[in-house]
Amino acid sequence: QVQLVESGGGVVQPGRSLRLSCEASGFTFSNCVMHWVRQAPGKGLEWVAVISYDGSSKYYADSVKGRFTISRDNSKNTMSLQMNSLRAEDTAVYYCATQGGVADEYFDYWGQGTLVTVSS
Amino acid sequence: EIVMTQSPDTLSVSPGERATLSCRASQSVSRNLAWYQQKSGQAPRLLIYGASTRATGIPARISGSGSGTEFTLTISSLQSEDFAVYYCQQYNNWPLTFGGGTKVEIK
Repeated sequence: QVQLVESGGGVVQPGRSLRLSCEASGFTFSNCVMHWVRQAPGKGLEWVAVISYDGSSKYYADSVKGRFTISRDNSKNTMSLQMNSLRAEDTAVYYCATQGGVADEYFDYWGQGTLVTVSS
Repeated sequence: EIVMTQSPDTLSVSPGERATLSCRASQSVSRNLAWYQQKSGQAPRLLIYGASTRATGIPARISGSGSGTEFTLTISSLQSEDFAVYYCQQYNNWPLTFGGGTKVEIK
């Protein structure tokens, strides 16, 4: 069965960096477009970033563009999110998710999430 | 950016009753609309994509309809496991955007 396990969350000071990872299993990772979606405490869902099958294409929400970098390693079935210059408003649970359709960007499988808290 | 607006914010329904949730897009998203269910402390779960196609394992009492800017999620007879928060999401344009959610609570 499909499993997505996020890790790397924690408490970090504003302006510092953090790297999240998503380990995938139960499906052919290299065939799947992958996304990060976040949810601030008590708030709704916000799409963050997407990476294509081979990592050649990446897109970001304006709120994180220039600060966050998405990447993947298909040999290790993992995806990462490098988060730099963190701000208080980046505090959220970060989910990795698989894209459900070849060209349809809905999310069919989600990890359990990892909490990032940006606070001094 | 396409703004997705869900209504109502909270829906109080008795078990066995019908629940109707609305989602409106600020511009047409064709049928590129998905619905998710999220229970407290859990990740979202895909219910519907393509406005009306149920995801794997989703029961027939849950259905989606609509196109363009107006969409509806209907739960025909609420079961205890259906009390949760529901989000719509458009994938017609970048950036991908979600509605603010509708909480379905026990009346």
